Amino acid sequence: LAKTTQPISMDSYEGQEVNITCSHNNIATNDYITWYQQFPSQGPRFIIQGYKTKVTNEVASLFIPADRKSSTLSLPRVSLSDTAVYYCLVGLTGTASKLTFGTGTRLQVTL
Amino acid sequence: DAGVTQSPTHLIKTRGQQVTLRCSPKSGHDTVSWYQQALGQGPQFIFQYYEEEERQRGNFPDRFSGHQFPNYSSELNVNALLLGDSALYLCASSLFDGKRQPQDTQYFGPGTRLTVL
Repeated sequence: LAKTTQPISMDSYEGQEVNITCSHNNIATNDYITWYQQFPSQGPRFIIQGYKTKVTNEVASLFIPADRKSSTLSLPRVSLSDTAVYYCLVGLTGTASKLTFGTGTRLQVTL
Repeated sequence: DAGVTQSPTHLIKTRGQQVTLRCSPKSGHDTVSWYQQALGQGPQFIFQYYEEEERQRGNFPDRFSGHQFPNYSSELNVNALLLGDSALYLCASSLFDGKRQPQDTQYFGPGTRLTVL
């Protein structure tokens, strides 16, 4: 699976938009980009997945440029409850059983 | 719709002992994967079970073994516990999509916190 690089931590105030960028320079043609969210002492939770351009769901948006060497998770108007670790994963959908997590980005939201 | 459940929630063992952790997959799912998450680190893949057989395995020693039952639930066994085995053990379930590969979205349970003294 392609290696990913994310910022170790980010801080935000409640109500702001947060953008977390993930670098994946050696992404393969068939790889998808998936983001998970994890709260302390809980299992990761699927947020969003995409292949190219833009994907949006009720929770977040995922922006993927044409070269696909990076991606940006966008969380609109964060609240205190969005404080968590966010993981960017890259790989084939069929190899989900070998999800490879990095150390993730620790997002701290304050008032 | 029941999600992934794991038991026990917490467990304390001493070095050299053996432990068994249990997982029930999300309703409708048939594949179970196990992950180990050390403090401050991302989860690391241990192995995956489908049709009661180990299908894929990560870089973990043979002290880590598992089992899947006909009802798709699963157990993770760890023998000869080491201090370094202290971690949060996560179970994730998914569903094969008919192409003999699991769907990409995995649903994780709350985990079992294992402490080895």
